[in-house]
Amino acid sequence: AQSVTQLGSHVSVSEGALVLLRCNYSSSVPPYLFWYVQYPNQGLQLLLKYTSAATLVKGINGFEAEFKKSETSFHLTKPSAHMSDAAEYFCAVTSTGTASKLTFGTGTRLQVTL
Amino acid sequence: GAVVSQHPSWVICKSGTSVKIECRSLDFQATTMFWYRQFPKQSLMLMATSNEGSKATYEQGVEKDKFLINHASLTLSTLTVTSAHPEDSSFYICSARDDRAQFYGYTFGSGTRLTVV
Repeated sequence: AQSVTQLGSHVSVSEGALVLLRCNYSSSVPPYLFWYVQYPNQGLQLLLKYTSAATLVKGINGFEAEFKKSETSFHLTKPSAHMSDAAEYFCAVTSTGTASKLTFGTGTRLQVTL
Repeated sequence: GAVVSQHPSWVICKSGTSVKIECRSLDFQATTMFWYRQFPKQSLMLMATSNEGSKATYEQGVEKDKFLINHASLTLSTLTVTSAHPEDSSFYICSARDDRAQFYGYTFGSGTRLTVV
């Protein structure tokens, strides 16, 4: 079985501040990990993915995430928040043993204030 | 980059009627596609896995006779909500998995907002 846990359903940061969205995973086999962003009434857009290559993954819009096996974490960060980053963020996991199903976390709503 | 087209983006239908939602991979082949349902302010719930040329695999608790899935080609899967009722109102999202990237090539459609009146 596999799962992801996103700590904090709602995160608020000031514009220009560091963004940190937390994701911990559970998987009995090496995982593939993803971060997606969803704007209201839209589908999911891939921010970045970990596929067992480099542990520090850089994505679009200045986001990056680091895979830490010892901590079973894949936290998403961005050095400086922008108003346009306000959205819902989902962490997801899959692996070779799951018939390629993606398992999603419960999501974190990021609010960016002036 | 990979693009998935989902239509319609929104639909309103009367109770008892059926609605078909299309999910099409535009620039890649997808033997496997996924259908999700999302309730307001909640995460995505996997409804079924759609496999080209074979029957879909439904998640526990999902009525396969209500949510008919057809995956007739490597680029098209459809979800038909049959005899729709107000409780079927929701946001439905499809995802296509690129055959060239088996464990990480997932692309999502833009979603369909279904309202049953």
